[in-house]
Amino acid sequence: DIRMTQSPASLSASLGETVNIECLASEDIYSDLAWYQQKPGKSPQLLIYNANSLQNGVPSRFSGSGSGTQYSLKINSLQSEDVATYFCQQYNNYPTFGGGTKLELK
Amino acid sequence: EVKLVESGGGLVQPGRSLKLSCAASGFSFNDYWMGWVRQAPGKGLEWIGEINQDSSTINYTPSLKDKFTISRDNAQNTLYLQMSKLGSEDTAIYYCARIHTYYFDYWGQGVMVTVSS
Repeated sequence: DIRMTQSPASLSASLGETVNIECLASEDIYSDLAWYQQKPGKSPQLLIYNANSLQNGVPSRFSGSGSGTQYSLKINSLQSEDVATYFCQQYNNYPTFGGGTKLELK
Repeated sequence: EVKLVESGGGLVQPGRSLKLSCAASGFSFNDYWMGWVRQAPGKGLEWIGEINQDSSTINYTPSLKDKFTISRDNAQNTLYLQMSKLGSEDTAIYYCARIHTYYFDYWGQGVMVTVSS
């Protein structure tokens, strides 16, 4: 199995701030990476696929980057509705998820 | 509008079986791979498995391969998850999801399964 190590596990940021979440794969996943947002009590929603492609309807303040084993999700100008847990997922092999990053407002 | 609605969850005793359903609407169900993902309380996401359009290919995470069975009925636009020999470790919210290429582009609202005596 490909292991996905996500960091940090939790994060506190202020409105308007820029936030970065990292995901490290145990082997090269060739940009086969997605990011999901899960708000409390809700199901996950797709934000980014293929490491850097924005899903339809997702605000442009979200962006993804990376290659090989290292990937990141960036949120520009943090909004209150961005409070959520974020998960990365690789699909180069059978899907595996990162442990999640819980984002809160400072 | 793509809609996925899971049902069939609830409280089940250890060692028993349970079958979940996922009713799909708003898209051409038989054009897509479908999958199941679960989330234990307060934990992360775990991929259970996936099924292709005509049920000829079904993949499972190795640890659940002998306990869970995924199937689908394209005439009824419904995905199923048959779970057997349930234990406390199977207590979780179970999500069905549509697979686009290899990632999950739409998720259901989830259904809770609690395994307890």
